[in-house]
Amino acid sequence: KNQVEQSPQSLIILEGKNCTLQCNYTVSPFSNLRWYKQDTGRGPVSLTIMTFSENTKSNGRYTATLDADTKQSSLHITASQLSDSASYICVVTSGGSYIPTFGRGTSLIVHP
Amino acid sequence: GAVVSQHPSRVICKSGTSVKIECRSLDFQATTMFWYRQFPKKSLMLMATSNEGSKATYEQGVEKDKFLINHASLTLSTLTVTSAHPEDSSFYICSAQLAGTAADTQYFGPGTRLTVL
Repeated sequence: KNQVEQSPQSLIILEGKNCTLQCNYTVSPFSNLRWYKQDTGRGPVSLTIMTFSENTKSNGRYTATLDADTKQSSLHITASQLSDSASYICVVTSGGSYIPTFGRGTSLIVHP
Repeated sequence: GAVVSQHPSRVICKSGTSVKIECRSLDFQATTMFWYRQFPKKSLMLMATSNEGSKATYEQGVEKDKFLINHASLTLSTLTVTSAHPEDSSFYICSAQLAGTAADTQYFGPGTRLTVL
């Protein structure tokens, strides 16, 4: 069964600090892995997308890594801002069916 | 580019009525659209996959007669919640898949908050 596990479930950090969110998956065959940011009451917004051959992708202060061998990904947020407070969702798409499997998300709260 | 809109953004209805939610890809053609529902502080749950011109594929446990999906064009899919009940109150989100891309990029709409009284 395809699964995506994210950790931690929630995280509270101070403004300006860095943090790293984790994503482990069992989806096979693998097509791509995406990180989304979802503000409360809004639709998810894509941060990064990585295919099998990519192991790092940056988008401003967001840097995602992918280890296809261990089936792990991380999202690193640098110099956090209050606006980073949101849910971060890891989504892994299966090759062939192209059906996405969603993680439960990590709720990040950035305090001033 | 690649903007997806949903209408309405919020809807409140009485129990027993039907509600239609529209999902549009504004500046690209989407051969596939997905419908999700999300309960508070929970992850998105895929309800159905909709391909233009064909019947939608529903996930296990989703009643196809209750959640009617129509994907009549490459830019529009609709979800109709029939005979809505309070337990159908949720956040409904659609996504549109950009046609012809190897990375099968999905773009999400802003969501529709449905409240059934």
